[in-house]
Amino acid sequence: AQTVTQSQPEMSVQEAETVTLSCTYDTSESDYYLFWYKQPPSRQMILVIRQEAYKQQNATENRFSVNFQKAAKSFSLKISDSQLGDAAMYFCAYRSARQTSGSRLTFGEGTQLTVNP
Amino acid sequence: KAGVTQTPRYLIKTRGQQVTLSCSPISGHRSVSWYQQTPGQGLQFLFEYFSETQRNKGNFPGRFSGRQFSNSRSEMNVSTLELGDSALYLCASSLARGGPGEQYFGPGTRLTVT
Repeated sequence: AQTVTQSQPEMSVQEAETVTLSCTYDTSESDYYLFWYKQPPSRQMILVIRQEAYKQQNATENRFSVNFQKAAKSFSLKISDSQLGDAAMYFCAYRSARQTSGSRLTFGEGTQLTVNP
Repeated sequence: KAGVTQTPRYLIKTRGQQVTLSCSPISGHRSVSWYQQTPGQGLQFLFEYFSETQRNKGNFPGRFSGRQFSNSRSEMNVSTLELGDSALYLCASSLARGGPGEQYFGPGTRLTVT
């Protein structure tokens, strides 16, 4: 079974600064997908960024980028120019590429990000 | 395009009762997954439905069940409620099963069991 670990329960950053959230995962599979989801106080989960394991290039979405280290099974999220609206719980998630696994996501414990003005 | 909707948003039940939660996916989406979120256990996968068939099931007791209708709307049912079933239940929909495609989440149903 796959596991996802987020070792930072809480992080804080000053507005306009950069912060990196850590995520490690354990799997014996070679093909999979990794995601970062954001859950603000409204509880609505929102996809921030995704990475396909077979792609060596790190994914970027505007101010959000990842550092994907497949050999180390590490998938960190970097938020640049942090904004007050970035404050939320961030979840790292794993999805197997096996057809039998379907859309099932395995989530980490989450990191609560606070953005200070 | 309307997002994923879940009803009801809040629910209070008594131990031993049963409850049914509803999820309407984004139009055109055929895959619906359910997750339970609690402070202690985090986010856990319950099950996935596609084309009216359960395709995947998480490690939950048989008291948790679900179904999907021909219009892709899904319901989950919890029988003989226990205090530990108090949680936020999230539904997510996607166009297809698996792959890198995004799952769109609903706002959740907050269930409190007293």
